[in-house]
Amino acid sequence: DQQVKQNSPSLSVQEGRISILNCDYTNSMFDYFLWYKKYPAEGPTFLISISSIKDKNEDGRFTVFLNKSAKHLSLHIVPSQPGDSAVYFCAASLLETSGSRLTFGEGTQLTVNP
Amino acid sequence: ETGVTQTPRHLVMGMTNKKSLKCEQHLGHNAMYWYKQSAKKPLELMFVYSLEERVENNSVPSRFSPECPNSSHLFLHLHTLQPEDSALYLCASSQNPDAYEQYFGPGTRLTVT
Repeated sequence: DQQVKQNSPSLSVQEGRISILNCDYTNSMFDYFLWYKKYPAEGPTFLISISSIKDKNEDGRFTVFLNKSAKHLSLHIVPSQPGDSAVYFCAASLLETSGSRLTFGEGTQLTVNP
Repeated sequence: ETGVTQTPRHLVMGMTNKKSLKCEQHLGHNAMYWYKQSAKKPLELMFVYSLEERVENNSVPSRFSPECPNSSHLFLHLHTLQPEDSALYLCASSQNPDAYEQYFGPGTRLTVT
């Protein structure tokens, strides 16, 4: 069973508008959540994260919201820029005896149109 | 530049070949990971190394054999692969095994013919 799901494979927005990417999870033991961005022919790069004890974290144009009761997190990008066009992965961390383990969603392709 | 490099970037191999993927991290990290990303699927964790010791093998077939000679280098030795093993193989590192943030290399695009 997939514990982290991104139900939208793609999203298209106009430059300057808000992009909202969504992620749902099932395991209430996840203690940290991350968003990664991936350009073609490159590896995923870390974008922003949030601890499970918080409900919001902001870094410039990027804000992540966590709703623990709904087991849902979202990434807001405002204003969106063409350079934001990439695949965005949601990841959730679970601390096990041998260390933290990340579980990834399938990714959402964001296209920001000029 | 994330500080994690992978070679080769592309590899085509037959099912009877033996090849190796190489990963090197220049970040002074103590944990390294191999992930597999198949088309339209999430990243799947394959192996975890902490200070050169394998701490996790996520039910990966024995035709994939990892090696970690030191904390900066990680290899994935491949032999008698199947066409369904064609995927993007990503290496990552983290400061220590408990760290949340992992830093990824660009990946090796593997095609098994």
